[in-house]
Amino acid sequence: QKEVEQDPGPLSVPEGAIVSLNCTYSNSAFQYFMWYRQYSRKGPELLMYTYSSGNKEDGRFTAQVDKSSKYISLFIRDSQPSDSATYLCAMGDSNYQLIWGAGTKLIIKP
Amino acid sequence: DTEVTQTPKHLVMGMTNKKSLKCEQHMGHRAMYWYKQKAKKPPELMFVYSYEKLSINESVPSRFSPECPNSSLLNLHLHALQPEDSALYLCASSQAWTGYSYEQYFGPGTRLTVT
Repeated sequence: QKEVEQDPGPLSVPEGAIVSLNCTYSNSAFQYFMWYRQYSRKGPELLMYTYSSGNKEDGRFTAQVDKSSKYISLFIRDSQPSDSATYLCAMGDSNYQLIWGAGTKLIIKP
Repeated sequence: DTEVTQTPKHLVMGMTNKKSLKCEQHMGHRAMYWYKQKAKKPPELMFVYSYEKLSINESVPSRFSPECPNSSLLNLHLHALQPEDSALYLCASSQAWTGYSYEQYFGPGTRLTVT
């Protein structure tokens, strides 16, 4: 079993829909949770960074962490074609290294 | 300024060549990273420098040789690579108060093809 599980997709939704992207993890020691967006042939871009449980909102993006369920989510409201990308979750272990999910390819259809 | 720059953008090299990848950041970060990313896979950590000292080497073959000339620059020297080393090579940086930080900022990458 991988430490971080993420459905690779693709996930295809119409423009304007609310998108929900998720990761589950097995290591209860994870305290730091990140979402990166990666466009094709580009480097990952840090979108959201959350410490411990709770919600964090930034514009159209909301990150949620449920440590009791070992489950994190990224919600995108009013999705746009420009949101089409691969979204990677990453978690910080006690050695300050990032443990990555496989990435979910998201397609927003105009 | 949250920019990490990498040169070149693309590189094609033969198995007997020697080349270098370069990375620069001006965010005052003291930790810098090299990652390798294959298609449809997440980044794989190769090396970490913290305060210009090599802190992590993820058992990377010796044909990859990192160098950190100063706190803003990171190089990756390549020699005698194999075709399976073809990938996107990513540089990242982060604050490093106690060693490393989880908020890593990535450059656009160098797409390397080994023929």
